[in-house]
Amino acid sequence: DGGITQSPKYLFRKEGQNVTLSCEQNLNHDAMYWYRQDPGQGLRLIYYSQIVNDFQKGDIAEGYSVSREKKESFPLTVTSAQKNPTAFYLCASSARTETGNTIYFGEGSWLTVV
Amino acid sequence: KQEVTQIPAALSVPEGENLVLNCSFTDSAIYNLQWFRQDPGKGLTSLLLIQSSQREQTSGRLNASLDKSSGRSTLYIAASQPGDSATYLCAVRGNQGGKLIFGQGTELSVKP
Repeated sequence: DGGITQSPKYLFRKEGQNVTLSCEQNLNHDAMYWYRQDPGQGLRLIYYSQIVNDFQKGDIAEGYSVSREKKESFPLTVTSAQKNPTAFYLCASSARTETGNTIYFGEGSWLTVV
Repeated sequence: KQEVTQIPAALSVPEGENLVLNCSFTDSAIYNLQWFRQDPGKGLTSLLLIQSSQREQTSGRLNASLDKSSGRSTLYIAASQPGDSATYLCAVRGNQGGKLIFGQGTELSVKP
């Protein structure tokens, strides 16, 4: 089945550690996105990529890094510089179509700082 | 800067009621607007997408309308069911390929 796979589902990070969240899609979509969701809040864009080997900062990129070496993969690294990383992280992808770029989401990853 | 607001933040209704969820945005220059459903601890599922040139879209018991000039969209759910209980989010896109700006969502509870 086509879709977006995020792993791990749950991740615990110690203070000062970097962690990487995986996102893989087999939808052949050009664009991929990372969002952060805090309890009772909407989604905030961290980074997005519209094509392989290119990505742009979103609204809250500080303390995060990404890479886009392959079309199907867009990993997110939460660095120690991110002071409040505990949140729900969502990866998404979309295709450029005449119907307007419907976006598809993965199931999310919970990151907790311990 | 585009801002998206959803009211109410939470809504509880008895089963069978028709209901309306509201979404407003500050910049009317949008490319499209999308409604999503999110179950607790899960990702988002796209429900309806309305292009800027369209006035409404329908899927089953769901109907979404768009009034760009007033910066408003509504999601109408007919004959609500307990399975409709979830958080509903709207998001607007400013241009083709641009980023989505999300509202905070409306948490809907449909009581049997």
